[in-house]
Amino acid sequence: AQTVTQSQPEMSVQEAETVTLSCTYDTSESDYYLFWYKQPPSRQMILVIRQEAYKQQNATENRFSVNFQKAAKSFSLKISDSQLGDAAMYFCAYSMNRDDKIIFGKGTRLHILP
Amino acid sequence: ETGVTQSPTHLIKTRGQQVTLRCSSQSGHNTVSWYQQALGQGPQFIFQYYREEENGRGNFPPRFSGLQFPNYSSELNVNALELDDSALYLCASSLTGTGLNEQFFGPGTRLTVL
Repeated sequence: AQTVTQSQPEMSVQEAETVTLSCTYDTSESDYYLFWYKQPPSRQMILVIRQEAYKQQNATENRFSVNFQKAAKSFSLKISDSQLGDAAMYFCAYSMNRDDKIIFGKGTRLHILP
Repeated sequence: ETGVTQSPTHLIKTRGQQVTLRCSSQSGHNTVSWYQQALGQGPQFIFQYYREEENGRGNFPPRFSGLQFPNYSSELNVNALELDDSALYLCASSLTGTGLNEQFFGPGTRLTVL
């Protein structure tokens, strides 16, 4: 069975600094999708970034980028120039297909210090 | 374009009662997935509906059931409520069959079972 593990329950970063959130996963599949979702206090789950496993190039979305290490089954999220609005729960997630069930990690709560 | 909406926002029930949660999918989407998010945890997949048929189910007992209607909106029904059913229930909609099938989440329904 596929699993997603986030080992950092909470992290803090100074505004404008860079922070990296860690995630490992386990699967026997060769093709799959990995995601980082943000859940602010409003509770709405927002997709931050997506990585297709067959792509070697790491995904980037503005200030958000990932370090995808397929062999190590590692998928970390780097947030550059952290902003107060980045404060939220961040979930690492896995899916076989983009519309298939999503398996989530337990989340990392990110605090932004002014 | 209307996003995913859920009703009600909050709900309080007592143990043994039955509850129905509702989800309106994003305009044009034909697939709805339901997730249960216990406090401090990541969401867990309950089931998915595609074109009014159940299209995958997670590890939840039969007292969790669902429906999808011709307009692709959906209901989640939970019978014989237990205290552990207290959680945030999220639905997500997507458009299966086009390759452009990102899941978009609603704001959730917070269910409290006393």
